[in-house]
Amino acid sequence: GQQLNQSPQSMFIQEGEDVSMNCTSSSIFNTWLWYKQEPGEGPVLLIALYKAGELTSNGRLTAQFGITRKDSFLNISASIPSDVGIYFCAGLTGNQFYFGTGTSLTVIP
Amino acid sequence: DTEVTQTPKHLVMGMTNKKSLKCEQHMGHRAMYWYKQKAKKPPELMFVYSYEKLSINESVPSRFSPECPNSSLLNLHLHALQPEDSALYLCASSQKRGSLGNQPQHFGDGTRLSIL
Repeated sequence: GQQLNQSPQSMFIQEGEDVSMNCTSSSIFNTWLWYKQEPGEGPVLLIALYKAGELTSNGRLTAQFGITRKDSFLNISASIPSDVGIYFCAGLTGNQFYFGTGTSLTVIP
Repeated sequence: DTEVTQTPKHLVMGMTNKKSLKCEQHMGHRAMYWYKQKAKKPPELMFVYSYEKLSINESVPSRFSPECPNSSLLNLHLHALQPEDSALYLCASSQKRGSLGNQPQHFGDGTRLSIL
């Protein structure tokens, strides 16, 4: 099946630092999504991107749909302890939906 | 708060038991999904229902039997499960928009299943 590679696999950062993670694919997608999952909960949709080059923000989160349509990026500014969790990208094309491998974020107070 | 509701939140069952997982959404979504998720891994797609019809079965063993009684409900019937089936089972739903295909999926909080 389709593989979406996320990097880094895990991050340990100090509170207040900015965070960057990305997701790459060998195939083109029409939609890129970013989810956050906390322990004991399901993935929560953070940002949806629908056009190549699109830059969208949700509070301290900013995501971009790569120009090649094969990648996407998520930035978190001024991290806080409640940002901890696993961040998954997802690519959507037609009726196909693929998750990335995930980035685990730990924020140290 | 999630708009996709799953029950029960936790389930412990023996390998000979029969149980069911339930999922409900009232967002008018016409695509519904079952996923299996192991710790620290991405969710793995099991089944997709589109307009209450099974459209995708990702080669899931027959001990898992999905059912979509109506557009708001999705069940997963379990029978004779194995210890390796212990996992978080997630339900999701999405809108369908014709030739544009499915829209972003919205997930429930899952059922944590443990097989003894």
